[in-house]
Amino acid sequence: GQNIDQPTEMTATEGAIVQINCTYQTSGFNGLFWYQQHAGEAPTFLSYNVLDGLEEKGRFSSFLSRSKGYSYLLLKELQMKDSASYLCAVGGESYNTDKLIFGTGTRLQVFP
Amino acid sequence: NAGVTQTPKFRILKIGQSMTLQCAQDMNHNYMYWYRQDPGMGLKLIYYSVGAGITDKGEVPNGYNVSRSTTEDFPLRLELAAPSQTSVYFCASSYSRGREGNSPLHFGNGTRLTVT
Repeated sequence: GQNIDQPTEMTATEGAIVQINCTYQTSGFNGLFWYQQHAGEAPTFLSYNVLDGLEEKGRFSSFLSRSKGYSYLLLKELQMKDSASYLCAVGGESYNTDKLIFGTGTRLQVFP
Repeated sequence: NAGVTQTPKFRILKIGQSMTLQCAQDMNHNYMYWYRQDPGMGLKLIYYSVGAGITDKGEVPNGYNVSRSTTEDFPLRLELAAPSQTSVYFCASSYSRGREGNSPLHFGNGTRLTVT
């Protein structure tokens, strides 16, 4: 089976740094994605990790430790527009394709 | 470039009715997915397809059916709608998955379905 855990809600102040954690237990592993989803909109791709370490993309960074089943998304210089849900999704190897399974998401509220 | 197009955007069904949610992509992606998202929750995989003529069940397939006759289209069929199927439905596609390498999912804008 597959289990993905994220905190339900987080709050932060504009200009600050916030770290959103994701832990997973899956029968296989074939990469971890982070998506951003604004209220009432579709998810959009933020980052992808398949090897251990840190991937940096501008204000956003994502880290992966496969041995610990752990990832985090780091958001720097927070802006009001970063208020959204952040979804962790893990791919578990299965039958010639990859069932990408999502966590329940972390709703981030950024305050001025 | 349209990407992933879902229709309708909104729909209200009565219990026991049936309907088909349409999904089309113009990116020549082999992989397509249907997810549902309940309020305040993450995405649950209903069905997915790795190419025309091939479909498989996801986490929550009961009450749904899919078909994939072409690369572009991946309709989701609801038979005998129930209140538990009230949700937002997202269709997504990707260029590659699994052993072929992982490309991100491209999502449609969603279909908001209410069953009363």
